Amino acid sequence: LAKTTQPISMDSYEGQEVNITCSHNNIATNDYITWYQQFPSQGPRFIIQGYKTKVTNEVASLFIPADRKSSTLSLPRVSLSDTAVYYCLVGENRDDKIIFGKGTRLHILP
Amino acid sequence: DVKVTQSSRYLVKRTGEKVFLECVQDMDHENMFWYRQDPGLGLRLIYFSYDVKMKEKGDIPEGYSVSREKKERFSLILESASTNQTSMYLCASSLEGIYEKLFFGSGTQLSVL
Repeated sequence: LAKTTQPISMDSYEGQEVNITCSHNNIATNDYITWYQQFPSQGPRFIIQGYKTKVTNEVASLFIPADRKSSTLSLPRVSLSDTAVYYCLVGENRDDKIIFGKGTRLHILP
Repeated sequence: DVKVTQSSRYLVKRTGEKVFLECVQDMDHENMFWYRQDPGLGLRLIYFSYDVKMKEKGDIPEGYSVSREKKERFSLILESASTNQTSMYLCASSLEGIYEKLFFGSGTQLSVL
């Protein structure tokens, strides 16, 4: 599995757009990029997954440049309830192991 | 929605006890996983299973075993609990071939005294 690097923590304000970037320099051809969100005292929740270019759903957008060595999770107009830890994972969908890093602790301020 | 249910939300056990953590999923998923989560260390994979009676070691299997007798149920066993196994334990499941889209339970906070 490709190793990922993401900021340990970020602060932002309600109503702002938040972008969290994940580096994955060793991403393999068949690897997908997946993001999870975890609230305190809960298990992680799948947010979005992509392979290249841009993916958007009702929760977030995922931007992936052509070289795929990084990706950016974009949360539009965040609210206090978006305060959580966000994990970036990279791997092939056939991988036996799914490894979580330490994630990015996002703190939304009023 | 997929539901992954862990039998206990909080559990307190004594050193040396045998501990069973149960996990049940209701969506006929082939794959099931056990993670533990500790402050500053993120989630670490203990064991996973891709079929009934099949199991594979994750990154930190020492001190743990698992059992999967039925497709919907995956049990984590601490043969002789120790204080360093105090942690949040998270169970997850996924469809065959869609390993990266995991559905997690709410977790069991285990304290070993």
